[in-house]
Amino acid sequence: DQQVKQNSPSLSVQEGRISILNCDYTNSMFDYFLWYKKYPAEGPTFLISISSIKDKNEDGRFTVFLNKSAKHLSLHIVPSQPGDSAVYFCAASDGGSQGNLIFGKGTKLSVKP
Amino acid sequence: DAGVTQSPTHLIKTRGQQVTLRCSPKSGHDTVSWYQQALGQGPQFIFQYYEEEERQRGNFPDRFSGHQFPNYSSELNVNALLLGDSALYLCASGDGMNTEAFFGQGTRLTVV
Repeated sequence: DQQVKQNSPSLSVQEGRISILNCDYTNSMFDYFLWYKKYPAEGPTFLISISSIKDKNEDGRFTVFLNKSAKHLSLHIVPSQPGDSAVYFCAASDGGSQGNLIFGKGTKLSVKP
Repeated sequence: DAGVTQSPTHLIKTRGQQVTLRCSPKSGHDTVSWYQQALGQGPQFIFQYYEEEERQRGNFPDRFSGHQFPNYSSELNVNALLLGDSALYLCASGDGMNTEAFFGQGTRLTVV
């Protein structure tokens, strides 16, 4: 049973436009959510996180939105750049940022020039 | 400041053999977690070490074991390798103070 779901395996966006990556979860005990970016042959790189007590967190071009009632979060990248092309993983934890992270299967983002 | 380093980067083993993977955490970090990432999947939590003890464990058989040393580095051991153990093994470190986990580049294990 998948507790964290990324239902879009891939997403293609034009440079300069907005990229929206979605993530759904089933476990209401999750209290911390993270997004990681992964390039081929590299480990995942932390991008942005949000605690369950918030509904929005922003860091430069990246914003994460959390809708607890819908058990849904999304990552917005504005404006998208070709260097953003990577696989994006959504992860959740019920032990804060140091707990066991449950990952989705990832969404491959392609930003076309 | 070196980040999380893992060795080796690639490894080929035969079914039934044993393997040891190594991880050095980011400077200042005392918590090490191990993840297995199969092709097309997200990373899956194996276990976490803190103060040289296994603190949490995911749904992996006892063939997967680990160790943390006094300098916080860690090893992942897998016994009686199966073809299905072929995956990217990722190590992540943290400081236990609510900062996000940092990942190494991983060890690609192929079992033939």
